[in-house]
Amino acid sequence: GENVEQHPSTLSVQEGDSAVIKCTYSDSASNYFPWYKQELGKRPQLIIDIRSNVGEKKDQRIAVTLNKTAKHFSLHITETQPEDSAVYFCAAAGNQFYFGTGTSLTVIP
Amino acid sequence: NAGVMQNPRHLVRRRGQEARLRCSPMKGHSHVYWYRQLPEEGLKFMVYLQKENIIDESGMPKERFSAEFPKEGPSILRIQQVVRGDSAAYFCASSQVGGQELFFGEGSRLTVL
Repeated sequence: GENVEQHPSTLSVQEGDSAVIKCTYSDSASNYFPWYKQELGKRPQLIIDIRSNVGEKKDQRIAVTLNKTAKHFSLHITETQPEDSAVYFCAAAGNQFYFGTGTSLTVIP
Repeated sequence: NAGVMQNPRHLVRRRGQEARLRCSPMKGHSHVYWYRQLPEEGLKFMVYLQKENIIDESGMPKERFSAEFPKEGPSILRIQQVVRGDSAAYFCASSQVGGQELFFGEGSRLTVL
């Protein structure tokens, strides 16, 4: 089956700085790569996704890049704000979803 | 369009009792996934179902756990003879097509005394 690795497990940044979270996957058949944000005690919510025919996608302060050859994809958050503090999960999907282990992001005011 | 609905949101059981968690997918979604999450940990896949079919149950413990998604009604995750280690948040998620745009419910938090 698929194996998704996510790094780092914790990340602290100053407000206004950028945050980068990286994931690798193993299954070449995976073709859909979503990112979820989970605030404490709440459900994971989809924040951005990218499909295998695209190399980069941006939505305001959030961007995701995909390198299919190297089997890795990354989440970039620019101009971080305290409300960005949460746990972020990457996932790789073919017919099934496989999640990374999560990154706890803390944005320090 | 209501989102993924899970109930109960909180459930307390004593050791040895049964827990039933229900999940109604988003309208038009026929793919349901169940995940377990321990405090400060990741989302552990349990089972993937379509209507009346279990597609992948590789994440389900071999004993005491079962899941179904009948033709009519919600998907149900059933845990028999619960133990303290079953205490966790159980999230259901649904998609219109397998492996695409997964939406999560609010979760059911099971506490076993």
